[in-house]
Amino acid sequence: AQKITQTQPGMFVQEKEAVTLDCTYDTSDQSYGLFWYKQPSSGEMIFLIYQGSYDEQNATEGRYSLNFQKARKSANLVISASQLGDSAMYFCAMREGLKGSARQLTFGSGTQLTVLP
Amino acid sequence: GAVVSQHPSRVICKSGTSVKIECRSLDFQATTMFWYRQFPKQSLMLMATSNEGSKATYEQGVEKDKFLINHASLTLSTLTVTSAHPEDSSFYICSARVNSNQPQHFGDGTRLSIL
Repeated sequence: AQKITQTQPGMFVQEKEAVTLDCTYDTSDQSYGLFWYKQPSSGEMIFLIYQGSYDEQNATEGRYSLNFQKARKSANLVISASQLGDSAMYFCAMREGLKGSARQLTFGSGTQLTVLP
Repeated sequence: GAVVSQHPSRVICKSGTSVKIECRSLDFQATTMFWYRQFPKQSLMLMATSNEGSKATYEQGVEKDKFLINHASLTLSTLTVTSAHPEDSSFYICSARVNSNQPQHFGDGTRLSIL
């Protein structure tokens, strides 16, 4: 079973509008972390936002916010006031808590966001 | 802070050549480094996890004799693609972290093209 599922291969949004990128996850751990990364066409992975499984409030970082719904196991990324520079691939990732010492990130398949002028 | 430098950014070489990619944590000590491979328009797939001073742990399906990983110091890990062939052409990205409670910081990646 997929640990991280991003069901939107591609999304379009008008400049200055808000957009939500979906992410659902699957884990049996009680302690885990959820991450969103942005990957422009140049390839670098840019960390955007983090949500811990025990965090009671939704994470926010500037124009990015994470809509964390633990019971539904979803961690959607909301980008407000989209800018042309937001066009990129967006990856949701999870780090599980207690399985082994590695605790590496598992990535979803990504969503290609295109912001239209 | 937390900068990871990856070098080279791009490599084009002939089939049969061995290619070494370096991953350095510039302003922190990385006890663990990760190597990922990414094909066009696909996600990052973890190849291996390396801890300083010990052998790397490879993911299922990744040939350890093909992809040699060395993590000799707390700031440097290297990935050597031995006797590279066109099917090894891909985007390779490393990441590093201080410990399991800290976030992973990524390098800018290496585009490897084997002719």
